[in-house]
Amino acid sequence: DAKTTQPPSMDCAEGRAANLPCNHSTISGNEYVYWYRQIHSQGPQYIIHGLKNNETNEMASLIITEDRKSSTLILPHATLRDTAVYYCIVRGAWAGNMLTFGGGTRLMVKP
Amino acid sequence: EAQVTQNPRYLITVTGKKLTVTCSQNMNHEYMSWYRQDPGLGLRQIYYSMNVEVTDKGDVPEGYKVSRKEKRNFPLILESPSPNQTSLYFCASGRQGGSYEQYFGPGTRLTVT
Repeated sequence: DAKTTQPPSMDCAEGRAANLPCNHSTISGNEYVYWYRQIHSQGPQYIIHGLKNNETNEMASLIITEDRKSSTLILPHATLRDTAVYYCIVRGAWAGNMLTFGGGTRLMVKP
Repeated sequence: EAQVTQNPRYLITVTGKKLTVTCSQNMNHEYMSWYRQDPGLGLRQIYYSMNVEVTDKGDVPEGYKVSRKEKRNFPLILESPSPNQTSLYFCASGRQGGSYEQYFGPGTRLTVT
């Protein structure tokens, strides 16, 4: 699976959009980009995933660049409850189900 | 409600006393997995199961056993726990294949003295 690079920490004001970047320059054509988050010591929570096209669900939007070497997770209106560690994971459909978690980005939403 | 449950949520035990942490999912998922999380080391996979009676080692399987006799259950067994197995453990489940999301349990905090 491709390696990902994320900033270790970010701040965001409550009510503003949080834009979390992820670099995955070695991504292969059939590898998906997944985002999970972990609030304090709770179980990681699935947010969104995509292959090539941008994706949106009730939690967030995922923007994948045309060359697929980077992506951005967007939380449109961050709340204090969005304070968490966000993990960007790249995984191939052929790689089975294993998730390799890196260091992630610690997002702090401030009032 | 679709969920992954783990029991117990907290456990303090002594070295060498066998213990089992249970994991159950109600989503009819084929895939189940165990992770441990330690400060500075992130989440690491211990064992996984692609389906009933099919299990395989993850990155850190030493000192652990698993079984998958039923689709919904995937217990983690520590035959002789040691202090270095003090950790936060998570069970996860998902549909088969790399294009599906996984769902995680709430975690079990284990302390071995």
